Amino acid sequence: AQTVTQSQPEMSVQEAETVTLSCTYDTSESDYYLFWYKQPPSRQMILVIRQEAYKQQNATENRFSVNFQKAAKSFSLKISDSQLGDAAMYFCAYRSGSGGSNYKLTFGKGTLLTVNP
Amino acid sequence: NAGVMQNPRHLVRRRGQEARLRCSPMKGHSHVYWYRQLPEEGLKFMVYLQKENIIDESGMPKERFSAEFPKEGPSILRIQQVVRGDSAAYFCASSSSSGLNTGELFFGEGSRLTVL
Repeated sequence: AQTVTQSQPEMSVQEAETVTLSCTYDTSESDYYLFWYKQPPSRQMILVIRQEAYKQQNATENRFSVNFQKAAKSFSLKISDSQLGDAAMYFCAYRSGSGGSNYKLTFGKGTLLTVNP
Repeated sequence: NAGVMQNPRHLVRRRGQEARLRCSPMKGHSHVYWYRQLPEEGLKFMVYLQKENIIDESGMPKERFSAEFPKEGPSILRIQQVVRGDSAAYFCASSSSSGLNTGELFFGEGSRLTVL
């Protein structure tokens, strides 16, 4: 079974600075997707960024980018120019790309990000 | 274009009562997923449904929990004879068929169940 590990329960960053959230995963599959979700105090799960494992290029969405290291099974999220609205719980998630249960997301336990003004 | 709608947002039940949580998927989505989030934990998969069919309920407890997605109306997650350990946030997500392949799930705001 796949597992997702977020080793940082909490992180903090100064407004306008850059922060990196770590995520590692364990899988024997070669075809899969990785995601970062944001959960603000409203508790809604918001997709931040997605990476297909077959793509070598790291995904980027505005101030959010990932460092995807397939061999190391690492998938970190970098937030540049941090804003107060980035404060939230961030979850890393894995999904198989093929096979019978390729609809299930496996989540890590989350990293609580605080942004200091 | 309304997103995934869940209700109620908050539900309080006493031990032994029943809880019913509803989820209306995004317009045009026929795939519904339920996840549970315990305190200090990530979301855990419970069940995957398509219209009138349960595709995978491997993450759902065998006792007291059931789910349905009828031809008309919202998906329902039903918990009978609730216990304190059922207290959690229950999230519904939906996808279109193409979204299923790309992993694009859209989540609702969750229903928070508190069992007294």
